[in-house]
Amino acid sequence: QKEVEQNSGPLSVPEGAIASLNCTYSDRGSQSFFWYRQYSGKSPELIMFIYSNGDKEDGRFTAQLNKASQYVSLLIRDSQPSDSATYLCAVNGPNSNSGYALNFGKGTSLLVTP
Amino acid sequence: GAGVSQSPRYKVAKRGQDVALRCDPISGHVSLFWYQQALGQGPEFLTYFQNEAQLDKSGLPSDRFFAERPEGSVSTLKIQRTQQEDSAVYLCASTLQGGTDTQYFGPGTRLTVL
Repeated sequence: QKEVEQNSGPLSVPEGAIASLNCTYSDRGSQSFFWYRQYSGKSPELIMFIYSNGDKEDGRFTAQLNKASQYVSLLIRDSQPSDSATYLCAVNGPNSNSGYALNFGKGTSLLVTP
Repeated sequence: GAGVSQSPRYKVAKRGQDVALRCDPISGHVSLFWYQQALGQGPEFLTYFQNEAQLDKSGLPSDRFFAERPEGSVSTLKIQRTQQEDSAVYLCASTLQGGTDTQYFGPGTRLTVL
């Protein structure tokens, strides 16, 4: 079983602070790494994707990837109450049949308090 | 089309009933995935299509689950003789080509089996 692990939380941060979400994965063959945000009762919404080691920034979001250590993280700067949601880490990579199906973690619940 | 659509959004079935869940992918998207998301869990892979070919069905929980995509666009996930453990949100995602392309999710169908 190829594992993707996330702390389930809840992670509580005050408004305006940096939220740091972490994810580790077991399959060294993983090639692509995604962060999805999921509001309660809604479907996953793509926030960021990253393929290469290092940092990738998009607005208030920064994804960090370290393939040697097999972890990927998401930083949310200037956190807002509207960022309160579950954040799903997903990875994929070559698989003989499943066309790079996403392997998801269980998600980390983030609560941004006013 | 604007995005991935799924119908119905909600389905209540009595145990033993058959259900059919529909997914309309983004127009022109070659790859289509079905995922099952239980409460408090991340989505889990069920099956994968490339055009009309079902290339992987290894995630289907039992032979009561059947999926098809006869013309390479709309897909239907059918569950026969539903059981309470089938209660979950069923998510459909599509990608332009596949591989490490971003997967775009539909709103999901919430199935409740009584």
